[in-house]
Amino acid sequence: GQQVMQIPQYQHVQEGEDFTTYCNSSTTLSNIQWYKQRPGGHPVFLIQLVKSGEVKKQKRLTFQFGEAKKNSSLHITATQTTDVGTYFCAGRASGSRLTFGEGTQLTVNP
Amino acid sequence: GAGVSQTPSNKVTEKGKYVELRCDPISGHTALYWYRQSLGQGPEFLIYFQGTGAADDSGLPNDRFFAVRPEGSVSTLKIQRTERGDSAVYLCASSSNGGIGETQYFGPGTRLLVL
Repeated sequence: GQQVMQIPQYQHVQEGEDFTTYCNSSTTLSNIQWYKQRPGGHPVFLIQLVKSGEVKKQKRLTFQFGEAKKNSSLHITATQTTDVGTYFCAGRASGSRLTFGEGTQLTVNP
Repeated sequence: GAGVSQTPSNKVTEKGKYVELRCDPISGHTALYWYRQSLGQGPEFLIYFQGTGAADDSGLPNDRFFAVRPEGSVSTLKIQRTERGDSAVYLCASSSNGGIGETQYFGPGTRLLVL
């Protein structure tokens, strides 16, 4: 079945440093979504990427979808303590089923 | 309602018991999803409803797990003969009509602990 892998599993940064998490799918995706889950909270939708090579920005967050539609990345510029949480990618190959990666847990030291 | 709600927020049960977990989706959303999230893992798909019918139940781990949505709104996830390995957070999400480009809105989850 479809697998979605995410690296790194953990990332510790100093406030102000950049952060990147990478997502790779075993199959070609129709689209990919990114979610953020704060400690003790539930996943909250951030963005969806659909087109090959697509790049989207949300303030300090930049999301990219690979040309082959099998990988994606999330980059945060100049992290802040409010960025703390676990970032999940979730890929959809077909239908409505989402397959989540294992997430990257980000901690930010002030 | 304003968002997806789930009850109970926490459930502690003994091995072998039966449990029911409830999800109340966003009003008007026809698509409803159940996921299971173990500690340190991403949500794992269980089942997807479109209206009253289960459109995809391929994620249910075995026949001890069953879910219903009789009126196309509230859904109940039922687990029979619970096992310690069933301990996890059970998340429910809904979306407008299940289209592939839609955002899924998650509820706060039910934390299930099987002793």
